[in-house]
Amino acid sequence: QQQVKQSPQSLIVQKGGISIINCAYENTAFDYFPWYQQFPGKGPALLIAIRPDVSEKKEGRFTISFNKSAKQFSLHIMDSQPGDSATYFCAASMAGRRALTFGSGTRLQVQP
Amino acid sequence: DTAVSQTPKYLVTQMGNDKSIKCEQNLGHDTMYWYKQDSKKFLKIMFSYNNKELIINETVPNRFSPKSPDKAHLNLHINSLELGDSAVYFCASSQGLLGVEAFFGQGTRLTVV
Repeated sequence: QQQVKQSPQSLIVQKGGISIINCAYENTAFDYFPWYQQFPGKGPALLIAIRPDVSEKKEGRFTISFNKSAKQFSLHIMDSQPGDSATYFCAASMAGRRALTFGSGTRLQVQP
Repeated sequence: DTAVSQTPKYLVTQMGNDKSIKCEQNLGHDTMYWYKQDSKKFLKIMFSYNNKELIINETVPNRFSPKSPDKAHLNLHINSLELGDSAVYFCASSQGLLGVEAFFGQGTRLTVV
């Protein structure tokens, strides 16, 4: 049972463009929604996170949009750069359960 | 200083062998985890320990046994290795009751031949 569904599986964007990755969740008990970035040969690293009491959070070029009623959230990368090329994972967790449920990942390639 | 360190980084072994992966965190966190990343890059929780106590065991075969000698260490021992155990295993740690940042190690790529 996949509780967090992520799309697209892969994404190619030109330098300077906007990258958009979408996730949908099923369990309404989730209350924390982070995005992780993973480079080849490395462990995932937290990029940005949001809680369901806000609809948007921005940190630099990275923005999370959150739609509680639709049970969806997305990552927007503005002015995408070749250095952003990595695999991105959305995730979710709930209070009292100290573990992340990950989406299936999106491989992003930013072409120069 | 590496926040979450795992050893070894690579592990190649034959079917049927027993192997261990070690993990240490120097962040002072109270919770440690093992995640498995399969060949399709899907990440799934295996175990979670809080203050040395097992709190999550996600239907992992009994051949996998985590051990936490203290809050800073969480080791993973795998008995009778099978081909399907080939994956990247990540150790992680976090602090607090609510959703907080989890810090991941660099991973251990296990290949069973």
